[in-house]
Amino acid sequence: DQQVKQNSPSLSVQEGRISILNCDYTNSMFDYFLWYKKYPAEGPTFLISISSIKDKNEDGRFTVFLNKSAKHLSLHIVPSQPGDSAVYFCAALAGGTSYGKLTFGQGTILTVHP
Amino acid sequence: SAVISQKPSRDICQRGTSLTIQCQVDSQVTMMFWYRQQPGQSLTLIATANQGSEATYESGFVIDKFPISRPNLTFSTLTVSNMSPEDSSIYLCTAVGTDTQYFGPGTRLTVL
Repeated sequence: DQQVKQNSPSLSVQEGRISILNCDYTNSMFDYFLWYKKYPAEGPTFLISISSIKDKNEDGRFTVFLNKSAKHLSLHIVPSQPGDSAVYFCAALAGGTSYGKLTFGQGTILTVHP
Repeated sequence: SAVISQKPSRDICQRGTSLTIQCQVDSQVTMMFWYRQQPGQSLTLIATANQGSEATYESGFVIDKFPISRPNLTFSTLTVSNMSPEDSSIYLCTAVGTDTQYFGPGTRLTVL
């Protein structure tokens, strides 16, 4: 049972345009969501997060939107840069659980073309 | 932030053998975990590495197959026992600091 799903395995975007990565979840107990970025041969690194009490969180070029009723979140990158090319993982955490016990999506490979 | 190193970074092993992966954190952390990422799949939590006691395993993972040690706050090992090709994965060590989780670079294991 895949509780966190990233239905797009890959996304290709032109430099300077917006990248939108999507994530859906099924578990109503999830109340904290994170995005991780992963380069080849490296471990995932934390990018941005959002609590379920918010519907938007912004950090520079990165914005995460949360639609609780639809159990959907998205990561927007504006403007996209070639250095953003990586695998992006959506992850979710249930209330009261350690940060270590994340449930991950399958990942989306983002390619930003110069 | 914490820096995590893993050894080996990759290995190719024969069916039926065992491999021990080492994880070292450069600072004291509260908790350490082991994840697995099978080809085309998401990262899946294997277990919580408890200091000085038996690890806590997630559903579908057992100690006989994945024995874990954590003798101190900054070091842990994961052994993949009696390997089969289905164990071919990336194994990641993670550590939780005060407010986030840090990932090691992973160990890419191929079982022939």
